[in-house]
Amino acid sequence: GAVVSQHPSRVICKSGTSVKIECRSLDFQATTMFWYRQFPKQSLMLMATSNEGSKATYEQGVEKDKFLINHASLTLSTLTVTSAHPEDSSFYICSASRTGLRGQPQHFGDGTRLSIL
Amino acid sequence: TQLLEQSPQFLSIQEGENLTVYCNSSSVFSSLQWYRQEPGEGPVLLVTVVTGGEVKKLKRLTFQFGDARKDSSLHITAAQPGDTGLYLCAGVSRDMRFGAGTRLTVKP
Repeated sequence: GAVVSQHPSRVICKSGTSVKIECRSLDFQATTMFWYRQFPKQSLMLMATSNEGSKATYEQGVEKDKFLINHASLTLSTLTVTSAHPEDSSFYICSASRTGLRGQPQHFGDGTRLSIL
Repeated sequence: TQLLEQSPQFLSIQEGENLTVYCNSSSVFSSLQWYRQEPGEGPVLLVTVVTGGEVKKLKRLTFQFGDARKDSSLHITAAQPGDTGLYLCAGVSRDMRFGAGTRLTVKP
């Protein structure tokens, strides 16, 4: 169990386009979902933490108006990259946690590779 | 600022060799997790260590949590090409932060 599906797996689009990425927990309810960004040959950098039904908490340096997060249900969170530019090109990964408590396992999706031309 | 330092950053070995990957920090963690990530995929949890000095084994992988809960190591015995991947440690305190990772390549 504990499968997380992320869609789409790859996006290539023009500069200025807004891109929505979905993260779904398929077989469990996720109170908390996390969004990470990973640049080539680097580690995962936490962008924001979202809890179902409330506003996301963004990490320092992450623009909340640029990266819109919606966690409308216990099985779905979305990340929208608004007016994307080439510097936003990256590998975006979500994870989901049943409880969101510290140390509880996070189950990761397979990531979305975003390429902005 | 990187909270967790992993070493080595890159490691390329022959099949059958042993290796150890280190995860160090100046901070104390309530627990520490190890993940493996393959290209184009999300990380997959390998193990969680909680108690200082704890040792966990997963087939050919041995994980150890430092006595002070500030560091951890991952030892792989008789590495195989299927072990190739990015190994990430993640420390849990106020929240969870990832190390930069060790990229392991095992050549047949």
